[in-house]
Amino acid sequence: QKEVEQNSGPLSVPEGAIASLNCTYSDRGSQSFFWYRQYSGKSPELIMFIYSNGDKEDGRFTAQLNKASQYVSLLIRDSQPSDSATYLCAVISGGSYIPTFGRGTSLIVHP
Amino acid sequence: DTAVSQTPKYLVTQMGNDKSIKCEQNLGHDTMYWYKQDSKKFLKIMFSYNNKELIINETVPNRFSPKSPDKAHLNLHINSLELGDSAVYFCASSQDQVRGIQYFGAGTRLSVL
Repeated sequence: QKEVEQNSGPLSVPEGAIASLNCTYSDRGSQSFFWYRQYSGKSPELIMFIYSNGDKEDGRFTAQLNKASQYVSLLIRDSQPSDSATYLCAVISGGSYIPTFGRGTSLIVHP
Repeated sequence: DTAVSQTPKYLVTQMGNDKSIKCEQNLGHDTMYWYKQDSKKFLKIMFSYNNKELIINETVPNRFSPKSPDKAHLNLHINSLELGDSAVYFCASSQDQVRGIQYFGAGTRLSVL
């Protein structure tokens, strides 16, 4: 059973701080990694994707992948109240190409 | 112009009924998916089609039957609805199954009474 684990939170950070979200996965053959943001009552939307070890930056967002330790993280710099949402980590297994989502981490950014 | 559109947005029905949810994408993608998101917000894959061919079928009861008439459409038919089928169902599409960047529809909230 392939698993993707996330701390459910809520993670509460003040406005302007860095929010750090973590995700671990069980399938060592996983090859594609994603962070989606989901506002309450809405559909998931892609924030970041990463395929290779290391860091990938896009604006205020940085995704970090460490395949040896089987974790992927998302850093949100200068957090804004509009970043308050549930963040879903998703992993695609090599071979079967089955996407597996974590249960999500609830982020609250307070003014 | 919505990239991935699902209809209906809300579906309220009685136990034992049969219902369908439709999904269409205008992104030219090859791969489409159906997910179920339960009350605890866990998003679980049900099916995936690549270019009209079923490639993922994740231990879903056979009361659920997907149909892909062409690669832009993936519909979900549910027979003999049960209380436990109440959830939000999301359709998604991606350019291909390997890289898997997914675009989601707005969701269909199914309530079985």
